Amino acid sequence: KNEVEQSPQNLTAQEGEFITINCSYSVGISALHWLQQHPGGGIVSLFMLSSGKKKHGRLIATINIQEKHSSLHITASHPRDSAVYICAVIFKAAGNKLTFGGGTRVLVKP
Amino acid sequence: EAQVTQNPRYLITVTGKKLTVTCSQNMNHEYMSWYRQDPGLGLRQIYYSMNVEVTDKGDVPEGYKVSRKEKRNFPLILESPSPNQTSLYFCASSLGGSGPQYFGPGTRLLVL
Repeated sequence: KNEVEQSPQNLTAQEGEFITINCSYSVGISALHWLQQHPGGGIVSLFMLSSGKKKHGRLIATINIQEKHSSLHITASHPRDSAVYICAVIFKAAGNKLTFGGGTRVLVKP
Repeated sequence: EAQVTQNPRYLITVTGKKLTVTCSQNMNHEYMSWYRQDPGLGLRQIYYSMNVEVTDKGDVPEGYKVSRKEKRNFPLILESPSPNQTSLYFCASSLGGSGPQYFGPGTRLLVL
């Protein structure tokens, strides 16, 4: 079955802390997305990965294809990073259909 | 400004009254998609389209129709809405099937 699991479901950090969010999936994929949903509801695409590592500002995304696992790291976290972070994958056998993880709610306290 | 627009943003309707939620993008993207988001269930894909006249079912297509007659538009049609279609709906587009997705602002639908 094509499944995507994220952990943790909720995370609270102090400003400045390093944050890691994990995403595991069940079978081979062609691409993995990390999305950010702000408290107001808007969704922004952060990264699209098929291999390796990407960095944008304080955000780093990595993927290990063999282990079927991706991580999103936030360095020097800030209260404005408070949001829900969502992992989504395109399974190889599923055409271009997108399957989502349940999301990780992050709260960064000042 | 590159954007995905959805209309209406908020809609209250009654069971059985046909409605259409419009989605338009100005980035010349081939791929467009509709999602619904529900508490406890997260985001789920309803339908997607790889290009004009090409549409495919996502995970929850029942009760919905779509059409892609023009590249920029991808309307979501609820022929006979039911209360279980009360949800937050997002449209998104991307350059290709696996490219970064650009999301619309969302449409909050309440079916009474």
